[in-house]
Amino acid sequence: GAGVSQTPSNKVTEKGKYVELRCDPISGHTALYWYRQSLGQGPEFLIYFQGTGAADDSGLPNDRFFAVRPEGSVSTLKIQRTERGDSAVYLCASSSGATNEKLFFGSGTQLSVL
Amino acid sequence: GNSVTQMEGPVTLSEEAFLTINCTYTATGYPSLFWYVQYPGEGLQLLLKATKADDKGSNKGFEATYRKETTSFHLEKGSVQVSDSAVYFCALSASSGYSTLTFGKGTMLLVSP
Repeated sequence: GAGVSQTPSNKVTEKGKYVELRCDPISGHTALYWYRQSLGQGPEFLIYFQGTGAADDSGLPNDRFFAVRPEGSVSTLKIQRTERGDSAVYLCASSSGATNEKLFFGSGTQLSVL
Repeated sequence: GNSVTQMEGPVTLSEEAFLTINCTYTATGYPSLFWYVQYPGEGLQLLLKATKADDKGSNKGFEATYRKETTSFHLEKGSVQVSDSAVYFCALSASSGYSTLTFGKGTMLLVSP
């Protein structure tokens, strides 16, 4: 596609439920990033994929968060046993993979945990 | 660890006014520095970047100079337009071989006609 696509754009769930957030990066981009943006804050890094593997998952807050990219393109961020503090905008970005290369961001998924 | 501090907003200006948004950073090594912009209803977009000390990044009339001695990367524009109204994020990328970014909290700019 023309840009990074994230679905759904909005997700409302109840505390304790499981959610999946999808990211479809720009075609041919080998690097994919997930960030989380809480209200009034800048985006915070969660995880970085180079191809199919997670090259850096140091930003994942705890073991309830997990992400996959099985074929090196689409990625899914999975959150188990959601908590109200997980409410935020989850951003996905992709790039060609070169150092300090421009990141292309999607519009994000607004997750609300009630 | 790495961190970015930028001035709180909102910054409210009249059209054609001069803009400065301050940004300072803390990092080990020699980071690359970025300004990203988020227009209403849109995703983050790279505005400009600088990868080494004394480099000046520029785009769309905006510019910022990488000042290692003051650990700063202030964003400036000589004459703002209503269409510049957006949230601006300063960010750094540590010299780790890929582009994980550490962002500031963002500064909202509101430009009135």
